[in-house]
Amino acid sequence: QQQVKQSPQSLIVQKGGISIINCAYENTAFDYFPWYQQFPGKGPALLIAIRPDVSEKKEGRFTISFNKSAKQFSLHIMDSQPGDSATYFCAATQETSGSRLTFGEGTQLTVNP
Amino acid sequence: DAGVIQSPRHEVTEMGQEVTLRCKPISGHNSLFWYRQTMMRGLELLIYFNNNVPIDDSGMPEDRFSAKMPNASFSTLKIQPSEPRDSAVYFCASRKDFQETQYFGPGTRLLVL
Repeated sequence: QQQVKQSPQSLIVQKGGISIINCAYENTAFDYFPWYQQFPGKGPALLIAIRPDVSEKKEGRFTISFNKSAKQFSLHIMDSQPGDSATYFCAATQETSGSRLTFGEGTQLTVNP
Repeated sequence: DAGVIQSPRHEVTEMGQEVTLRCKPISGHNSLFWYRQTMMRGLELLIYFNNNVPIDDSGMPEDRFSAKMPNASFSTLKIQPSEPRDSAVYFCASRKDFQETQYFGPGTRLLVL
């Protein structure tokens, strides 16, 4: 019940295209859903996050869509750029757990020029 | 702000040797997390501390692994004896109470021969 399932495992997109990464969770007690971006040789860094009281959050070219009833959330990257090429992790946590994050498996995004 | 500092950045050792990984969290952060990242298992939480006290060590693989946080600015993760299957990237992350974002260090890439 603690798992977060992420897909696809890898994604190749042309510059200017839309990248979409999906995640599903089981634990209905999760109440905070961040996305982390990781470049080769670096640690993950918070990209954007959402709480289940809203269905969408947008920051620049990055949007999280959240479907509470389906227990799914997704990351959309509009106008994808080669500099967006990285590994993306979705995660979930229950605040009362002390922010123990459960991570998805990761998606390796490649944006071709 | 220097961010989370980890040392060494790379470690190559032989099976059976003791390995000590070090972490300095961001000043003022109350929680510290140790993660392990492998291709097979993704990002796994090993242990986390709050106010220098271990809160959840359920992710520690076995007794060969131990972690300490003697003060608010320093933590160690020790593997004794090390085994080839311990080869991975080990990340330290820190977080301030009442803030959800975890800040990751650059990681230590460990190779056990």
